[in-house]
Amino acid sequence: KQEVTQIPAALSVPEGENLVLNCSFTDSAIYNLQWFRQDPGKGLTSLLLIQSSQREQTSGRLNASLDKSSGRSTLYIAASQPGDSATYLCAVKYDYKLSFGAGTTVTVRA
Amino acid sequence: DTGVSQNPRHKITKRGQNVTFRCDPISEHNRLYWYRQTLGQGPEFLTYFQNEAQLEKSRLLSDRFSAERPKGSFSTLEIQRTEQGDSAMYLCASSLPGRGSYEQYFGPGTRLTVT
Repeated sequence: KQEVTQIPAALSVPEGENLVLNCSFTDSAIYNLQWFRQDPGKGLTSLLLIQSSQREQTSGRLNASLDKSSGRSTLYIAASQPGDSATYLCAVKYDYKLSFGAGTTVTVRA
Repeated sequence: DTGVSQNPRHKITKRGQNVTFRCDPISEHNRLYWYRQTLGQGPEFLTYFQNEAQLEKSRLLSDRFSAERPKGSFSTLEIQRTEQGDSAMYLCASSLPGRGSYEQYFGPGTRLTVT
């Protein structure tokens, strides 16, 4: 069974600081890994998708790395803004379905 | 609108009542997935369809839950005799077929509150 862990569970930073969110998974036989953003009471917004053959993916201020052999991914958010406050979830695709971590709740203080 | 849609967005029901949710996937996607998310947790897989065929069901999907996808288009998730433990966000996603790298696109979810 695939287990996905996200550390830390919560993070509070001042505006402008870089964010580093960690995700680990137990089974390296994955097809891809996605990072999602979730605002309170809302659905999931996909941020980045990294294929299993890729090492990293970038979109604007976001950069995600993947080390499949060690079962780790990191999401970097540069120059954080109050609008980045949300819960960030990572999910790995193995077989047909996604297995999610519990998320990291980020608060960016103005 | 080309995204995944779900209705209703919110549902409040009394314990013991039946509820039904609907999901409309992206039109060219023939894979459809249901997930359930409880407070403070990540979504958990419930079931998925390829076209009209239900190919896998999680052990989380008790006998009170049933999902259908007639004609391979929209899908419904019904919960019979609801219990307070069913209170959660129910998320639907769709994708192109195959085990591989295709991204799953999520709808806004249906929040169920059982009183």
